Amino acid sequence: SQELEQSPQSLIVQEGKNLTINCTSSKTLYGLYWYKQKYGEGLIFLMMLQKGGEEKSHEKITAKLDEKKQQSSLHITASQPSHAGIYLCGVPYQYDKVIFGPGTSLSVIP
Amino acid sequence: NAGVTQTPKFRILKIGQSMTLQCAQDMNHNYMYWYRQDPGMGLKLIYYSVGAGITDKGEVPNGYNVSRSTTEYFPLRLELAAPSQTSVYFCASSSQRFSNQPQHFGDGTRLSIL
Repeated sequence: SQELEQSPQSLIVQEGKNLTINCTSSKTLYGLYWYKQKYGEGLIFLMMLQKGGEEKSHEKITAKLDEKKQQSSLHITASQPSHAGIYLCGVPYQYDKVIFGPGTSLSVIP
Repeated sequence: NAGVTQTPKFRILKIGQSMTLQCAQDMNHNYMYWYRQDPGMGLKLIYYSVGAGITDKGEVPNGYNVSRSTTEYFPLRLELAAPSQTSVYFCASSSQRFSNQPQHFGDGTRLSIL
């Protein structure tokens, strides 16, 4: 079965700094999703990548899918306290389901 | 604009007790899902449904049951609560199979079994 790893497991950055979170798959990626979870709340959909090389941006968050590396990266520019939370990647699985990565916990220090 | 609503938000159970976690969505979505989230483990799929009257097991179904009599509701039942079921439970829904449409999540139910 497909497995997802995320790195780093946790991250603490100073406000204004850039950061990157990676999601690596054990199998070929045909699509990937990024979600954000605020502490104590549900998941909020950020973006969906469907093709190798695809890059999408939402405000100061950019995600890219590298098919060859079986990896996606999520980059945050000029981090703000509002970016704090848990970032999870997910991939479609067996038609109707999704597998999620373990998550990366991000803290932003003002 | 309610989206996916889960109740209760918090609950403490004793070992062996039973309870039902409620999930309701007002978006007329066919697909609904139940996940559990344990620290550092991401989300694990418990059960899912592709429409009223149709349910199927996910990765970790043991100890749980579901029903889907209507499009709106998808309750999750714990029959004999065990400490291993201490977790945060999330319900989600989508209009199509997940690979085309993002899932909408509820805020979760935090369950402790003591």
